[in-house]
This record gives sequence, structure tokens and C-alpha cells, in this order.
Amino acid sequence: DIQMTQSPSSLSASVGDRVTITCRASQGIDNNLAWYQQKPGTLPKLLIHGASTLQSGVPSRFSGAGSGTDFTLTINGLQPEDVATYYCQKCGSAPFSFGPGTKVDLK
Amino acid sequence: DVQLVESGGGLVKPGGSLRLSCAGSGFSFSSYTINWVRQAPGKGLEWVSSISSVGTYIDHEESLRGRFTTSRDNAKTSVYLQMNDLRPDDTAIYYCARDVRPPRGYNVDWGQGTQVTVS
Repeated sequence: DIQMTQSPSSLSASVGDRVTITCRASQGIDNNLAWYQQKPGTLPKLLIHGASTLQSGVPSRFSGAGSGTDFTLTINGLQPEDVATYYCQKCGSAPFSFGPGTKVDLK
Repeated sequence: DVQLVESGGGLVKPGGSLRLSCAGSGFSFSSYTINWVRQAPGKGLEWVSSISSVGTYIDHEESLRGRFTTSRDNAKTSVYLQMNDLRPDDTAIYYCARDVRPPRGYNVDWGQGTQVTVS
């Protein structure tokens, strides 16, 4: 099965910073990747699908890029409400594995 | 509005069984793939299973095959997760979620989850 990894596992950044999270698949998955945001005590929220397509209603400061094995989620101008854990997920065909998550907090 | 409501969780001893239910409403239930995802305390998300709209395609995370079974009854707008031979590391919140159309494995709509504790 294809394994998903993320880096870093956690990061601290200041309001307004540009934050980049990396997700890597152990084999090529084309653009079959989604990103979720999960705040403590809440449900996961879909941010991006198809590696770079912003889900309706998600702020434009979030963007996704990549194809094949290497993907990034970028937050341009971190906001206090972006404090959360971010997960990537392999899509397209099962198994729909998640990455281990990246916890983002404020410096 | 789309609603997904899980039920059936609880406290069970190792080796025991539970059957979780996921009841859907507010959408054409028989047209959507439903996924189960779990989250152990303080841990990340783990995909558990997927069942296609009419139940012809079912898949489970490899390590769970043989113990977990997923089924659905579209007349009752419900999906079920039968969990047997439960182990302490199955302790988690179990979420059902609605896949997109056509199904791609990712989810916009999630239920609130049901807690399963194996101890």
C-alpha cells in the first residue's frame, strides 16, 4: 500500500507568516490528494482536493500544489483561526490513507 | 441539510463485538459512497472502510480485514460497520462521512462520530 508522510510534524509561526506543509506519497498518485484542517474538538474540514482545487468557502490564503509524490499546502498570511492540525489524504482509489498530520500553532 | 448520525458505540471488552450505524438524511443516500474514518485519542485520522452507493464495492484498511465488515441498507438510509474481535487499539472515535460524486475517497460532510472504547 501507498504510505503518506508529512513534514514537519509541527511548526510555530507568527500571524502573517507564510506557512508551507509538505506531504509525500511512497508511490506516484498523480493529483489524487486532499488536504483537511482539524481544529481541536471539531470535525475535519476539507480544504483542497485534486491537489490544488480549493474547496468552496475556503479562504484564498490556502493553496495546494504538487503532483506525483510530492505535495505542498501553503497558508499565505497565517491567521489566528488557522491554528489546527492539517492532514493530507491519498484519494482516487482505496486505500484512502491519511498522512500523520502537521500541527500548526502561533509563535 | 446533509446529516450523518453515527450510533452504536460504547465500552466493550477485548474480543467483543460492536455494530456501528450511520444514518443519513437530507440527500439522495443511495447515490453516495460512504466512508468510515476513525481517530484514536490524541492521534491522527485513519481511513477504515468505504462502501459504494449500492454496496457493490466495499474495501477496508488492510489491517482490519477479517475483523471489520461494512454494509448498507439504502431503504433505511443507513450504513453499518460490524467490528469483531475488538482490541484496545481499536479505541477511537468512529466517523462516517459522505464521499463526493463521483466518488474520489475524500469527504465534505462528516457525522459527529461515535466513541468506541475497548477495555
